[in-house]
Formats: sequence, C-alpha cells, structure tokens
Amino acid sequence: EAGVAQSPRYKIIEKRQSVAFWCNPISGHATLYWYQQILGQGPKLLIQFQNNGVVDDSQLPKDRFSAERLKGVDSTLKIQPAKLEDSAVYLCASSLFGIGGGETQYFGPGTRLLVL
Amino acid sequence: ILNVEQSPQSLHVQEGDSTNFTCSFPSSNFYALHWYRWETAKSPEALFVMTLNGDEKKKGRISATLNTKEGYSYLYIKGSQPEDSATYLCASPSYNTDKLIFGTGTRLQVFP
Repeated sequence: EAGVAQSPRYKIIEKRQSVAFWCNPISGHATLYWYQQILGQGPKLLIQFQNNGVVDDSQLPKDRFSAERLKGVDSTLKIQPAKLEDSAVYLCASSLFGIGGGETQYFGPGTRLLVL
Repeated sequence: ILNVEQSPQSLHVQEGDSTNFTCSFPSSNFYALHWYRWETAKSPEALFVMTLNGDEKKKGRISATLNTKEGYSYLYIKGSQPEDSATYLCASPSYNTDKLIFGTGTRLQVFP
C-alpha cells in the first residue's frame, strides 16, 4: 500500500514570498490533516478535512495560510506571504475514517520550509 | 487545553543498553494515547495506539505501558541499536475530537 506522498521535500524562500505544498493521502482515507512542526516543538494541527469539508481550522493563521482539498483526495496548503516564523516542517497525514481519537494517523515525510 | 509532556528531551545511550522514556497527559477525559517514531528525513511511523488502563503493547524490542489513572505512558527499548536513533513522539486526542495534541518528543541517539 502506498503511503502519504508530499512535495516538495525542501523549500527555501524569502520572506513575503508565497509557497505551496501538496499532499496525496493514502487511497480511500476520508480524513486529511496538515500539521506544522517548529523546531523544538511537537507537531501542531493546522487544519483537518473530512472528505472535502473542513472539520477544524482553529489554529490556521487565516490571514496568510489557506488550504483546500480537491474532490476529497489531494490537498494543497499555501502560505502567502511567508514570514520568518513560518520556517518549519509541514506534515500531511491521513486516516481512514477520522472518527474519534483512537484511529492511527499515517504521515507523509513532510516539507521542510526555510524562510530567509 | 490538553497538555502532553515528554521526558527526557534527549537521550544518548550505547548500543545494547535498554532505555525508557515517559509521556504524561491529563488523566481526566482520557481517550487514547499514540506513540510515533520519527527518523530524520523520513515519515513519522505509528508504533502504538493505546486505550485501556494497564494496557501493554509490544513491537519487536519496543514496548509501551499505559496508566490512565495517573496519566502517564512509558516507552521501553530493549537492547538499543543504532537504527533506533529517532525522535519518539506521543500524542493524545483533544476531548471529543480526533485532533492529536503532541508532546515535544524525546530524541534518542544510540552510539555503536
């Protein structure tokens, strides 16, 4: 079974530029998550999709971050404009149902973003 | 807000040593506890999902225990190998959601 795919793996941009990340979840998984992991901290949920609807985006900085999940499959996360503090690893994860907290979430390898 | 804590922050051991680390979480409204292993430049890998008090799970040389009454879980690695070098993350879902709250992780380095 193919895992969660993410691209690009690494990205270096200057502040105020825009950047987009792509995620392809495991086939058949209804729920997709984007996490931000800043160095020295644990991953923090930015947004959760159930199929193509948003379940939780309470920690997404909506003035600069946006995300969509096309046809309930692939997803893109965009930052516009980027700030220095956005330097982090952006992880995408998926789960089969996303019902309750006892279900395993499967992670992609992440995109390492450096904002200069 | 749910607070998940891990200790120690980092650990250096020799090959063959056994080691353990701790994950603490609020005991009220407990639902589940997840352990992940994250090797550099790879995807975080799910190790265990634990839900029952007293639960013990094992995967090869790695095992984990759960105490929901006092709010902690231990992860044990028996006979550490260099390939065990990774960051070990624990996470618990926020009340009545599947939104995982992660600890900051324990970074393990095993020297040959």
